[in-house]
Amino acid sequence: DAGVIQSPRHEVTEMGQEVTLRCKPISGHDYLFWYRQTMMRGLELLIYFNNNVPIDDSGMPEDRFSAKMPNASFSTLKIQPSEPRDSAVYFCASSLVGGFLGYTFGSGTRLTVV
Amino acid sequence: SQQGEEDPQALSIQEGENATMNCSYKTSINNLQWYRQNSGRGLVHLILIRSNEREKHSGRLRVTLDTSKKSSSLLITASRAADTASYFCATDWGDSGGYQKVTFGIGTKLQVIP
Repeated sequence: DAGVIQSPRHEVTEMGQEVTLRCKPISGHDYLFWYRQTMMRGLELLIYFNNNVPIDDSGMPEDRFSAKMPNASFSTLKIQPSEPRDSAVYFCASSLVGGFLGYTFGSGTRLTVV
Repeated sequence: SQQGEEDPQALSIQEGENATMNCSYKTSINNLQWYRQNSGRGLVHLILIRSNEREKHSGRLRVTLDTSKKSSSLLITASRAADTASYFCATDWGDSGGYQKVTFGIGTKLQVIP
């Protein structure tokens, strides 16, 4: 298996633009998680899905953030409009049985909003 | 916040020495996991210890869990330069319904000097 695949690896955008991050989880994993990592706040859970259904989005910082999982093999995290404080590394992770056996993380998308 | 706190935040040792990192948390957990993150990469799952376990081994890794003190330690024996990375503990304090509540600590940055 190729693991969790995220794209793009790097994204530089101007403030106010829409940004879409993409994730392909490991086939057969029924949980998908979006995390954000910054030096100041560490790793923060933004939202997670179980069987394509959003379960907990309490970590989504603002209405500017939205996430979808239209099918078992694809998820997106969208920021519209983007702001400089959104600059961070965004990770997608997937797991079986709710992560009780650990998560598999993607390589992340480094987002820079200028 | 349930976020685990690793100690120390940074650790520098010579190759061949043992490295010990600690993690403390605040509320009861289902399990505790340790992850490694190499610079610019995603997190890699190392080991999981359940709340009813006290010690677990995996290769050169040894994890202990003391639920009475709400703390865990990760020991890496005979360290190698390739062990240079950040190490995170993650506590799973989800409810029995399976809803995930996993939070990560801020990490310990380990440097192993050849």
